[in-house]
Amino acid sequence: GESVGLHLPTLSVQEGDNSIINCAYSNSASDYFIWYKQESGKGPQFIIDIRSNMDKRQGQRVTVLLNKTVKHLSLQIAATQPGDSAVYFCAERVNQAGTALIFGKGTTLSVSS
Amino acid sequence: GAVVSQHPSRVICKSGTSVKIECRSLDFQATTMFWYRQFPKQSLMLMATSNEGSKATYEQGVEKDKFLINHASLTLSTLTVTSAHPEDSSFYICSATYRGRDTGELFFGEGSRLTVL
Repeated sequence: GESVGLHLPTLSVQEGDNSIINCAYSNSASDYFIWYKQESGKGPQFIIDIRSNMDKRQGQRVTVLLNKTVKHLSLQIAATQPGDSAVYFCAERVNQAGTALIFGKGTTLSVSS
Repeated sequence: GAVVSQHPSRVICKSGTSVKIECRSLDFQATTMFWYRQFPKQSLMLMATSNEGSKATYEQGVEKDKFLINHASLTLSTLTVTSAHPEDSSFYICSATYRGRDTGELFFGEGSRLTVL
């Protein structure tokens, strides 16, 4: 089936640095993408989403970039804080609304003070 | 808004017993619910899709007779792990959406950690 993969399983940064987490997806038919944050023992928490007709979307301290040409998605976190330490997953939706999200493998972000 | 609640958050059972996990949408009517399973240090893997009032659609490799899913109302879906074995120990997460929602965001529960002894 379709899969969404991440380039790096772990990322370690210093507090205050900017973090970039990458994701490569395989299905060109995917029309919607989300980044989720998951803390240990908890369910995924929505961070930011982007539709396939966009290439950039900004939120508070976070930016998602979508490059459909190379099927690449990235999450940029500005001024990373210790509270940002978690596992980050990108997820894609293939086809229409109401269908499930397919998750990538996850990147563990560790922020040191 | 859009809160999804799971219960129990943790459950320990003996091998061979059955365990039921509930997933409730607290402030919206969940026309579709999804069940995911997550093993340690791995990603979320979709198990099944459940539409209210219909039989669940299972992903390839997921035994429907072992993982019974019921979505009898617009606010409740249940996952029953029948005759559980240690290899069924995992983190089970439900998510939900509603008809007409124009984004693909799914609302996730907090997960239920099953440990089978």
